Amino acid sequence: QKEVEQDPGPLSVPEGAIVSLNCTYSNSAFQYFMWYRQYSRKGPELLMYTYSSGNKEDGRFTAQVDKSSKYISLFIRDSQPSDSATYLCAMSGAAGNKLTFGGGTRVLVKP
Amino acid sequence: GAVVSQHPSWVICKSGTSVKIECRSLDFQATTMFWYRQFPKQSLMLMATSNEGSKATYEQGVEKDKFLINHASLTLSTLTVTSAHPEDSSFYICSARVVVSYEQYFGPGTRLTVT
Repeated sequence: QKEVEQDPGPLSVPEGAIVSLNCTYSNSAFQYFMWYRQYSRKGPELLMYTYSSGNKEDGRFTAQVDKSSKYISLFIRDSQPSDSATYLCAMSGAAGNKLTFGGGTRVLVKP
Repeated sequence: GAVVSQHPSWVICKSGTSVKIECRSLDFQATTMFWYRQFPKQSLMLMATSNEGSKATYEQGVEKDKFLINHASLTLSTLTVTSAHPEDSSFYICSARVVVSYEQYFGPGTRLTVT
């Protein structure tokens, strides 16, 4: 069993819909949680960085962390075709330590 | 802010030759940088952690004599693939850690093709 599980998708939604992404993890030592967006043949782009449980909002993005359930989520509101990409969750046990990545979810936003 | 560059973006080399990839943090200092490898439609695989002024820490299964890492300054880390073979063909990505916030920012990646 992988330390971080993420549905590979693809997840197809119409433009304007809410995109809901999630990851589950098994290592209770993870304290820092990140979401990255990666376009094909490009490096990942940091979207959200959160610590411990709770919600964090930034523009159209909302990240949720539930440490008791070992479950994190990313919501994208008012999705655009430009949001079509692979979304990777990542986490670490301490600030700045090496990241453990999920396998990524491919998202397609159709106009 | 928090921009990381990589050079070259794409390189083709012949089997047996060595290739150097540079990773630079352009607007911040990074005491720690990470090197990843990514195969098509797969997630990132951490190869090594590079700390400024000290030896890199390699992940299990990564040949340190084949993938030489140097982190000589707070803004530059290099990965040299020595005696490259076709199986080394891959997408190599670096990330740099911001000292204050611990966020990690990634470079655009380098596509290596060994013929």
